[in-house]
Amino acid sequence: AQSVTQPDIHITVSEGASLELRCNYSYGATPYLFWYVQSPGQGLQLLLKYFSGDTLVQGIKGFEAEFKRSQSSFNLRKPSVHWSDAAEYFCAFLSGAGSYQLTFGKGTKLSVIP
Amino acid sequence: EAQVTQNPRYLITVTGKKLTVTCSQNMNHEYMSWYRQDPGLGLRQIYYSMNVEVTDKGDVPEGYKVSRKEKRNFPLILESPSPNQTSLYFCASADRENSPLHFGNGTRLTVT
Repeated sequence: AQSVTQPDIHITVSEGASLELRCNYSYGATPYLFWYVQSPGQGLQLLLKYFSGDTLVQGIKGFEAEFKRSQSSFNLRKPSVHWSDAAEYFCAFLSGAGSYQLTFGKGTKLSVIP
Repeated sequence: EAQVTQNPRYLITVTGKKLTVTCSQNMNHEYMSWYRQDPGLGLRQIYYSMNVEVTDKGDVPEGYKVSRKEKRNFPLILESPSPNQTSLYFCASADRENSPLHFGNGTRLTVT
Protein backbone atom coordinates (compact mmCIF):
# COMPACT_ATOMS: atom_id res chain seq x y z
CA ALA A 1 0.00 0.00 0.00
CA GLN A 2 1.11 3.54 -0.67
CA SER A 3 2.13 5.41 2.44
CA VAL A 4 4.41 8.04 3.84
CA THR A 5 6.01 7.77 7.25
CA GLN A 6 7.47 10.45 9.46
CA PRO A 7 9.23 8.50 12.22
CA ASP A 8 9.66 11.43 14.61
CA ILE A 9 6.53 12.78 16.27
CA HIS A 10 8.31 15.59 18.09
CA ILE A 11 11.79 17.07 17.77
CA THR A 12 13.39 19.76 19.89
CA VAL A 13 16.44 21.68 18.72
CA SER A 14 18.30 24.74 19.94
CA GLU A 15 18.16 27.91 17.91
CA GLY A 16 21.08 27.99 15.51
CA ALA A 17 21.45 24.22 15.42
CA SER A 18 20.99 22.20 12.27
CA LEU A 19 17.80 20.30 11.59
CA GLU A 20 16.84 17.16 9.73
CA LEU A 21 13.28 15.85 9.60
CA ARG A 22 12.84 12.38 8.25
CA CYS A 23 10.33 11.17 5.69
CA ASN A 24 10.06 7.73 4.13
CA TYR A 25 7.61 6.68 1.48
CA SER A 26 6.30 3.37 0.25
CA TYR A 27 5.41 3.32 -3.42
CA GLY A 28 6.30 1.21 -6.42
CA ALA A 29 7.53 4.06 -8.55
CA THR A 30 8.93 7.52 -7.97
CA PRO A 31 6.30 9.66 -6.34
CA TYR A 32 5.95 13.41 -6.43
CA LEU A 33 7.05 14.58 -2.98
CA PHE A 34 6.26 17.64 -0.93
CA TRP A 35 7.01 19.19 2.41
CA TYR A 36 4.45 21.45 4.03
CA VAL A 37 4.71 23.52 7.20
CA GLN A 38 1.85 24.39 9.53
CA SER A 39 2.35 27.22 11.99
CA PRO A 40 0.01 27.34 15.00
CA GLY A 41 -3.48 28.40 13.96
CA GLN A 42 -2.59 28.46 10.31
CA GLY A 43 -3.16 26.37 7.25
CA LEU A 44 -0.45 24.42 5.50
CA GLN A 45 2.15 26.22 3.46
CA LEU A 46 4.25 24.53 0.79
CA LEU A 47 7.97 24.53 1.61
CA LEU A 48 9.28 22.64 -1.41
CA LYS A 49 8.51 19.90 -3.88
CA TYR A 50 10.31 17.24 -5.88
CA PHE A 51 9.03 15.92 -9.18
CA SER A 52 12.15 14.84 -11.04
CA GLY A 53 15.66 15.96 -11.90
CA ASP A 54 18.10 17.21 -9.31
CA THR A 55 17.56 15.22 -6.15
CA LEU A 56 18.46 18.14 -3.89
CA VAL A 57 15.70 20.70 -3.95
CA GLN A 58 15.66 24.13 -2.40
CA GLY A 59 12.59 25.61 -0.81
CA ILE A 60 11.44 28.69 0.99
CA LYS A 61 12.66 29.88 4.39
CA GLY A 62 16.10 28.32 3.86
CA PHE A 63 14.90 24.71 3.78
CA GLU A 64 16.13 22.00 1.45
CA ALA A 65 15.30 18.35 0.96
CA GLU A 66 17.08 15.46 -0.68
CA PHE A 67 15.38 12.64 -2.53
CA LYS A 68 17.14 9.31 -2.10
CA ARG A 69 15.56 6.60 -4.19
CA SER A 70 17.66 3.81 -2.66
CA GLN A 71 16.38 4.70 0.81
CA SER A 72 12.85 5.74 -0.23
CA SER A 73 13.46 8.93 1.69
CA PHE A 74 12.88 12.64 1.28
CA ASN A 75 14.39 14.25 4.36
CA LEU A 76 14.02 17.95 5.09
CA ARG A 77 17.02 19.92 6.29
CA LYS A 78 17.96 23.38 7.45
CA PRO A 79 21.51 24.40 8.42
CA SER A 80 20.55 26.82 11.18
CA VAL A 81 17.14 26.83 12.81
CA HIS A 82 15.40 30.05 13.84
CA TRP A 83 12.84 30.33 16.63
CA SER A 84 10.20 31.14 14.01
CA ASP A 85 10.67 27.67 12.49
CA ALA A 86 8.77 26.13 15.41
CA ALA A 87 5.79 24.50 13.71
CA GLU A 88 4.50 21.18 12.52
CA TYR A 89 5.96 19.74 9.34
CA PHE A 90 4.23 17.35 7.00
CA CYS A 91 5.70 15.22 4.28
CA ALA A 92 3.32 14.27 1.48
CA PHE A 93 3.30 12.59 -1.89
CA LEU A 94 1.31 12.27 -5.05
CA SER A 95 1.19 8.78 -6.46
CA GLY A 96 2.42 9.83 -9.89
CA ALA A 97 1.56 11.57 -13.10
CA GLY A 98 -2.03 12.62 -13.52
CA SER A 99 -2.79 12.46 -9.84
CA TYR A 100 -4.41 14.93 -7.50
CA GLN A 101 -4.48 12.60 -4.52
CA LEU A 102 -2.08 13.77 -1.88
CA THR A 103 -1.14 11.36 0.92
CA PHE A 104 0.22 12.96 4.09
CA GLY A 105 2.48 11.72 6.81
CA LYS A 106 1.33 12.20 10.38
CA GLY A 107 3.59 15.16 10.93
CA THR A 108 6.60 16.10 13.01
CA LYS A 109 6.26 18.86 15.55
CA LEU A 110 9.36 21.01 15.86
CA SER A 111 10.12 22.93 19.04
CA VAL A 112 12.97 25.43 19.11
CA ILE A 113 14.81 26.33 22.32
CA PRO A 114 15.98 29.96 22.32
CA GLU B 1 -4.64 38.00 -3.41
CA ALA B 2 -4.84 34.32 -4.35
CA GLN B 3 -6.41 32.43 -1.50
CA VAL B 4 -8.66 29.71 -0.20
CA THR B 5 -11.21 31.07 2.26
CA GLN B 6 -13.01 28.95 4.80
CA ASN B 7 -15.80 30.04 7.09
CA PRO B 8 -16.29 29.96 9.94
CA ARG B 9 -12.87 29.67 11.61
CA TYR B 10 -14.40 28.30 14.80
CA LEU B 11 -17.69 26.51 15.29
CA ILE B 12 -19.23 24.90 18.35
CA THR B 13 -22.43 22.95 17.84
CA VAL B 14 -24.49 20.17 19.34
CA THR B 15 -25.01 16.63 18.18
CA GLY B 16 -27.47 16.34 15.33
CA LYS B 17 -27.68 19.99 14.34
CA LYS B 18 -26.92 20.31 10.64
CA LEU B 19 -24.07 22.61 9.69
CA THR B 20 -22.19 23.76 6.63
CA VAL B 21 -18.59 24.89 6.39
CA THR B 22 -18.00 27.02 3.35
CA CYS B 23 -14.90 27.03 1.16
CA SER B 24 -14.17 29.39 -1.69
CA GLN B 25 -11.11 29.85 -3.89
CA ASN B 26 -10.36 32.75 -6.21
CA MET B 27 -7.72 31.04 -8.37
CA ASN B 28 -10.03 29.31 -10.85
CA HIS B 29 -8.73 25.95 -9.68
CA GLU B 30 -10.36 22.81 -10.99
CA TYR B 31 -9.51 20.58 -8.06
CA MET B 32 -10.77 21.08 -4.50
CA SER B 33 -10.62 18.88 -1.47
CA TRP B 34 -11.55 18.64 2.20
CA TYR B 35 -9.28 17.24 4.89
CA ARG B 36 -9.64 16.71 8.59
CA GLN B 37 -6.68 16.91 10.92
CA ASP B 38 -6.57 15.03 14.20
CA PRO B 39 -3.69 14.71 16.66
CA GLY B 40 -1.47 11.78 15.82
CA LEU B 41 -3.36 11.02 12.61
CA GLY B 42 -2.15 13.79 10.33
CA LEU B 43 -4.44 14.95 7.54
CA ARG B 44 -7.03 12.60 6.12
CA GLN B 45 -9.01 13.33 3.02
CA ILE B 46 -12.79 13.48 3.33
CA TYR B 47 -14.01 14.33 -0.18
CA TYR B 48 -12.56 15.82 -3.31
CA SER B 49 -13.80 17.32 -6.53
CA MET B 50 -12.08 17.24 -9.91
CA ASN B 51 -14.41 19.84 -11.41
CA VAL B 52 -17.94 21.26 -11.27
CA GLU B 53 -20.51 18.55 -10.49
CA VAL B 54 -17.73 15.96 -10.08
CA THR B 55 -17.11 14.79 -6.52
CA ASP B 56 -15.71 11.64 -4.99
CA LYS B 57 -15.03 10.08 -1.62
CA GLY B 58 -11.68 10.32 0.07
CA ASP B 59 -10.44 8.16 2.92
CA VAL B 60 -12.95 9.19 5.62
CA PRO B 61 -16.22 10.29 3.94
CA GLU B 62 -18.71 8.85 6.44
CA GLY B 63 -20.95 11.49 7.97
CA TYR B 64 -20.07 14.18 5.42
CA LYS B 65 -21.51 15.53 2.19
CA VAL B 66 -20.15 17.97 -0.34
CA SER B 67 -21.36 19.75 -3.44
CA ARG B 68 -19.63 21.51 -6.33
CA LYS B 69 -22.19 23.59 -8.15
CA GLU B 70 -19.70 26.32 -9.02
CA LYS B 71 -16.00 26.11 -9.68
CA ARG B 72 -15.01 28.43 -6.85
CA ASN B 73 -17.12 26.92 -4.03
CA PHE B 74 -16.92 23.56 -2.31
CA PRO B 75 -18.99 23.47 0.90
CA LEU B 76 -18.71 20.68 3.45
CA ILE B 77 -22.01 19.60 4.95
CA LEU B 78 -22.53 17.67 8.16
CA GLU B 79 -26.17 16.57 8.14
CA SER B 80 -26.13 15.18 11.67
CA PRO B 81 -22.86 15.99 13.41
CA SER B 82 -21.52 13.70 16.09
CA PRO B 83 -18.78 14.24 18.70
CA ASN B 84 -16.32 12.11 16.71
CA GLN B 85 -16.43 14.78 14.02
CA THR B 86 -14.82 17.24 16.38
CA SER B 87 -11.70 18.14 14.44
CA LEU B 88 -9.77 20.75 12.51
CA TYR B 89 -10.94 20.92 8.92
CA PHE B 90 -9.02 22.21 5.92
CA CYS B 91 -10.16 23.00 2.44
CA ALA B 92 -7.58 22.97 -0.34
CA SER B 93 -7.42 23.56 -4.07
CA ALA B 94 -5.04 22.96 -6.98
CA ASP B 95 -5.03 24.23 -10.54
CA ARG B 96 -4.02 21.02 -12.30
CA GLU B 97 -2.85 17.55 -11.67
CA ASN B 98 0.47 17.16 -9.92
CA SER B 99 0.28 20.71 -8.60
CA PRO B 100 0.78 21.59 -4.95
CA LEU B 101 -2.32 22.20 -2.90
CA HIS B 102 -3.26 25.64 -1.62
CA PHE B 103 -4.82 25.43 1.83
CA GLY B 104 -7.33 27.52 3.70
CA ASN B 105 -6.65 28.54 7.29
CA GLY B 106 -8.84 25.86 8.76
CA THR B 107 -12.12 25.51 10.64
CA ARG B 108 -12.03 24.20 14.16
CA LEU B 109 -15.26 22.33 14.81
CA THR B 110 -16.42 21.13 18.22
CA VAL B 111 -19.49 18.92 18.47
CA THR B 112 -20.85 18.44 21.98
